[in-house]
Amino acid sequence: DTGVSQDPRHKITKRGQNVTFRCDPISEHNRLYWYRQTLGQGPEFLTYFQNEAQLEKSRLLSDRFSAERPKGSFSTLEIQRTEQGDSAMYLCASRGEGGEYGYTFGSGTRLTVV
Amino acid sequence: DQQVKQNSPSLSVQEGRISILNCDYTNSMFDYFLWYKKYPAEGPTFLISISSIKDKNEDGRFTVFLNKSAKHLSLHIVPSQPGDSAVYFCAASFQGAQKLVFGQGTRLTINP
Repeated sequence: DTGVSQDPRHKITKRGQNVTFRCDPISEHNRLYWYRQTLGQGPEFLTYFQNEAQLEKSRLLSDRFSAERPKGSFSTLEIQRTEQGDSAMYLCASRGEGGEYGYTFGSGTRLTVV
Repeated sequence: DQQVKQNSPSLSVQEGRISILNCDYTNSMFDYFLWYKKYPAEGPTFLISISSIKDKNEDGRFTVFLNKSAKHLSLHIVPSQPGDSAVYFCAASFQGAQKLVFGQGTRLTINP
């Protein structure tokens, strides 16, 4: 069990560029979540996958954001035409069927838009 | 609309004493509450949880208390240790929901 892995750890991009982040969940976990955390705030929910199906999306996920989880394994989060307000820590988490809500987070990808 | 609030941005406690972190919520539909701990450059780590059918849950040095009438929960750490220095997040959810709603966090510093 290597935990939830996120890549890259840090990303600096110019405003207007597209960026893509990857998340590899714990292998036996069928549920995968993306959260965003800005400075001084707690994580905010973005979207949720059960296997390959994206079942819930937050209003925070504007049309510039898209997430996928092909084959129900790893997931990608893409941000198109980045804006300075997109600068944040993007956290991925996963959990298995049933059990408690204490899902496992990755270490996050810190995005800085300059 | 901040449904989960941690009104103390920071807390400083002497090693060996009790640390008490507080959290308030506004949505009475919440029925499951969790505490997460976060070190710099790492993701949040699950610490302890409580269902609304209980008013207390204990795990080693950590105890969470829930007061449903006041919509308030607290995390007690006894005794506090230097390794407990971290940011602590309170989170809430309700049955059938997948997402967690987090508070803003409280930075706990344990002084030797």
